[in-house]
Amino acid sequence: QVELQESGPGQVKASETLSLICSVSGYSVNTAYYWGWIRQAPGKSLEWVGSFFHTGRSHYNPSLKGRATIAMDTSRNQVSLEVTSVTAADTAVYYCARDRSRSSFDYWGQGILVTVAP
Amino acid sequence: QSALTQPASVSGSPGQSITISCTGTSSDVGTYNFVSWYQQHPGRAPKLMIYEVTYRPSGVSSRFSGSKSGNTASLTISGLQADDEADYYCSSYSITTMWLFGGGTKLTVL
Repeated sequence: QVELQESGPGQVKASETLSLICSVSGYSVNTAYYWGWIRQAPGKSLEWVGSFFHTGRSHYNPSLKGRATIAMDTSRNQVSLEVTSVTAADTAVYYCARDRSRSSFDYWGQGILVTVAP
Repeated sequence: QSALTQPASVSGSPGQSITISCTGTSSDVGTYNFVSWYQQHPGRAPKLMIYEVTYRPSGVSSRFSGSKSGNTASLTISGLQADDEADYYCSSYSITTMWLFGGGTKLTVL
């Protein structure tokens, strides 16, 4: 069974960098899928942040204007997300999910709420 | 404003059928058969219900079905049950942004 678990600080100060880790069990991140991050601001819809393939290929939502970076630690079977220069608009529940490249996101973590403080 | 348009809310009585629409453009829904649907209960992570327009993942009830016509995809839930009450989101591959989501539809089971 594939399981994903997000971790990281629940609060980040405005203008600083948000850093999250997604720990994956039951499947190696170093194989045939992308691994993605999706966020959901309070009371709002889902927004795709970006996705990363183990070969190093990555894609990001243009709306983040280059502020997001996803990386992979295959030795720990983890995927990370960094978002720089955060503002209140980055306050959201952040989910990691397995991205079946165009098809769907089939496994999701439980999500982690990150609040950007002034 | 979300890229894919969904009705804000739909409702139905137990046992009835409902349909949720998801309208995109020729850059996403209209061109690619990569529409997926997610169910989200309050405080929970989204759950994949339909992928590639019509396919159901293992374990998802056959009461859930998907279709597409032109730039609009649809999710139909038949035999409504109380536990179907949730938010539903559509998603599509997009040539411009890779992944787009809809604004979400709140399903109320009366």
